[in-house]
Amino acid sequence: DQQVKQNSPSLSVQEGRISILNCDYTNSMFDYFLWYKKYPAEGPTFLISISSIKDKNEDGRFTVFLNKSAKHLSLHIVPSQPGDSAVYFCAASVYGFNKFYFGSGTKLNVKP
Amino acid sequence: DAGITQSPRYKITETGRQVTLMCHQTWSHSYMFWYRQDLGHGLRLIYYSAAADITDKGEVPDGYVVSRSKTENFPLTLESATRSQTSVYFCASRSRTDNQPQHFGDGTRLSIL
Repeated sequence: DQQVKQNSPSLSVQEGRISILNCDYTNSMFDYFLWYKKYPAEGPTFLISISSIKDKNEDGRFTVFLNKSAKHLSLHIVPSQPGDSAVYFCAASVYGFNKFYFGSGTKLNVKP
Repeated sequence: DAGITQSPRYKITETGRQVTLMCHQTWSHSYMFWYRQDLGHGLRLIYYSAAADITDKGEVPDGYVVSRSKTENFPLTLESATRSQTSVYFCASRSRTDNQPQHFGDGTRLSIL
């Protein structure tokens, strides 16, 4: 059973608007969360992370929000750009452990 | 260039054959990982290694063997390939520092006929 779920396989957004990608998890022990971006024929690249002691982390156009009570995190991209079109994976782990659990990915298409 | 490289990038083989996927990193990262990516499943951990000569199973280890005689290399072997092992395989590494992200190679697309 998947411990990290991304229920939207795809998302289409107009350039300049906000993109919101969602991720849910079931294991309450998870305390470190990451988002990766993946282009075709390349490996995933790290985008942004958040630990459970925070509920928000920003890096430029990218913000990750964590709602521990709902076991939910989201990635906001503002403003969205065509170069953001990629597959986005969320991942989670427990502090001190090396197993990262990934969601199935959301394919974002940003239309010019 | 420094980084993490996987070889080959593409491989076609037949059921029952042994095949080895290579992974090499130049960062001297302690931890290395092998994942497979399948539609609808995202990335699933096959094996990981905390240091040379230390390996451990992930979520889907059956049918795979790993070794790590040197810190920089982490080969993955399919001893007798099956069609269900057709997938894209990613190697990753990360430093020993807590809560650091993994860095991924560009993957090996493996097809088993």
